[in-house]
Amino acid sequence: GDSVTQMEGPVTLSEEAFLTINCTYTATGYPSLFWYVQYPGEGLQLLLKATKADDKGSNKGFEATYRKETTSFHLEKGSVQVSDSAVYFCALTLNYGGSQGNLIFGKGTKLSVKP
Amino acid sequence: DGGITQSPKYLFRKEGQNVTLSCEQNLNHDAMYWYRQDPGQGLRLIYYSQIVNDFQKGDIAEGYSVSREKKESFPLTVTSAQKNPTAFYLCASSPQIGSYGYTFGSGTRLTVV
Repeated sequence: GDSVTQMEGPVTLSEEAFLTINCTYTATGYPSLFWYVQYPGEGLQLLLKATKADDKGSNKGFEATYRKETTSFHLEKGSVQVSDSAVYFCALTLNYGGSQGNLIFGKGTKLSVKP
Repeated sequence: DGGITQSPKYLFRKEGQNVTLSCEQNLNHDAMYWYRQDPGQGLRLIYYSQIVNDFQKGDIAEGYSVSREKKESFPLTVTSAQKNPTAFYLCASSPQIGSYGYTFGSGTRLTVV
């Protein structure tokens, strides 16, 4: 079935370190891909998205490129801050001839950034 | 400001009791969703609704029930049939089913003792 696989956490980095969180997907159709972020005790917020192959989503210094050939959507940031500490979820939704299916989430990766 | 309101933020119930979690949105979204979040499990879809008076089971609907009598409201009842009800519950909405603009509430943490 359709699914999303993320690298397991927790990931602990020092401030200003480079971040990569790996995400790969399995999908029968042509998905749109997303990264959501969840800060402690809160709901999820959309961080960035990409709707077709080779698209790059970016927001708040985070980037991810939709790689169809490797079925991946890895999240990167060049210099993390303590305020980036959160749980990050990779997700997909399938495209059915112009309509969308439900969001399918990965298990989440917890990031802790130390000063 | 438009958004989704979930209440209460923390809820405690005795085992064997039914409990209803509230979810209200003022975004004029057609679609609404309930997810359950457990540590290391990510988000799992319980129920979703595309329009008023219609709803569909998600991946883990057993032991839960919903209603959608108004566009703005999508309450979730956790029944005594749910074997492991203690979890963090998230409500979300989107303009249409699966569309990009998902908005999430801040969640309700249910603890059954």
